[in-house]
Amino acid sequence: AQSVAQPEDQVNVAEGNPLTVKCTYSVSGNPYLFWYVQYPNRGLQFLLKYITGDNLVKGSYGFEAEFNKSQTSFHLKKPSALVSDSALYFCAVRDTGGSYIPTFGRGTSLIVHP
Amino acid sequence: EAGVAQSPRYKIIEKRQSVAFWCNPISGHATLYWYQQILGQGPKLLIQFQNNGVVDDSQLPKDRFSAERLKGVDSTLKIQPAKLEDSAVYLCASSPIGNRQETQYFGPGTRLLVL
Repeated sequence: AQSVAQPEDQVNVAEGNPLTVKCTYSVSGNPYLFWYVQYPNRGLQFLLKYITGDNLVKGSYGFEAEFNKSQTSFHLKKPSALVSDSALYFCAVRDTGGSYIPTFGRGTSLIVHP
Repeated sequence: EAGVAQSPRYKIIEKRQSVAFWCNPISGHATLYWYQQILGQGPKLLIQFQNNGVVDDSQLPKDRFSAERLKGVDSTLKIQPAKLEDSAVYLCASSPIGNRQETQYFGPGTRLLVL
């Protein structure tokens, strides 16, 4: 069965510092990987996705993520955090074969301190 | 472009009562998803529609949950009767075609509290 793990419930970072939000996955085939962000009382908003090709994916608001097949990881990164980046971040995976169902991680709360 | 619309935004009911949620996807999107997001967890897919047909409902508790998308546009999710453990945010999402590579566009959600 496919799965997604976000090992940190919360990540704290100072404004201006780099941030990383971790995600690892398990699928039977090859993965399609997604990052979404959720602000309070809002739905999820798409940030970026990996389908194929370059392992480094660039997305909205200066975020990027690196696909690492050997480590089955897709960590979200940003070189310089903003207070406005504080939100809940979800990693999701879909299998190119196997289950059709998208699977989401439990989310990581990012808190950026001024 | 208008986003995914959901109503109501909040609902409080007592256990064993019935409740219904409505979703209107982005215009032209063929695929519609309903998710359940319990506090502290990621969204869990309940059902996926392609136009007015069901693609996957393997995680829908069919003894109490039902969903329809009769004309292939808007959709209704119903819970009858509700249980305490149904307290969650119910998210609707849509995508243009429904293939596995597509980005999903989410509505603001309906927050349900069952007392």
